Amino acid sequence: EAQVTQNPRYLITVTGKKLTVTCSQNMNHEYMSWYRQDPGLGLRQIYYSMNVEVTDKGDVPEGYKVSRKEKRNFPLILESPSPNQTSLYFCASSGYRDTFNEQFFGPGTRLTVL
Amino acid sequence: DAKTTQPPSMDCAEGRAANLPCNHSTISGNEYVYWYRQIHSQGPQYIIHGLKNNETNEMASLIITEDRKSSTLILPHATLRDTAVYYCIVKRGSNYKLTFGKGTLLTVNP
Repeated sequence: EAQVTQNPRYLITVTGKKLTVTCSQNMNHEYMSWYRQDPGLGLRQIYYSMNVEVTDKGDVPEGYKVSRKEKRNFPLILESPSPNQTSLYFCASSGYRDTFNEQFFGPGTRLTVL
Repeated sequence: DAKTTQPPSMDCAEGRAANLPCNHSTISGNEYVYWYRQIHSQGPQYIIHGLKNNETNEMASLIITEDRKSSTLILPHATLRDTAVYYCIVKRGSNYKLTFGKGTLLTVNP
């Protein structure tokens, strides 16, 4: 089954404790992206990757890092989480033929930073 | 990417057609209309997209006006599981990025 998986689905942590949220897709997609969703602010892009070893900042990259060492994986790293990073996070992926059409989203990771 | 305008909320009776409008008066010739939906805190789900012709798939139909300044997503027989926020997004096909607005909260009532 074609899918994007994220782990963990729920995480409660404390300020400053480094964490990684994993994202994996099994569709051989070139493009992967991270979004965060906050009430009243909608979905905002954090980082994206056009292919292996190619990453770039989205609209709200501060406080986050990413890496793309393998095509299937795109982990999101919070080296020193703060309470303002409490949010619902989504990973997404998409293939590219003539155009970017359907983007597949993961189930989400709900992060609480105390 | 062209800006879109959607009503904040709509209601629909179960079994009836749900017609969700979207205005995109500044759309460019090479920009597509995409629709996604998000069911209560789940990951957004792609529904359909189109350029200028009407499109239909197993989930919905997309009607784009001749001048392309507006479109309507049609769910032909809405069910309770179609209750979700529906996002209309206009972008070039070569553009990777989805920019989500506030969308329309569709509530399907029994």
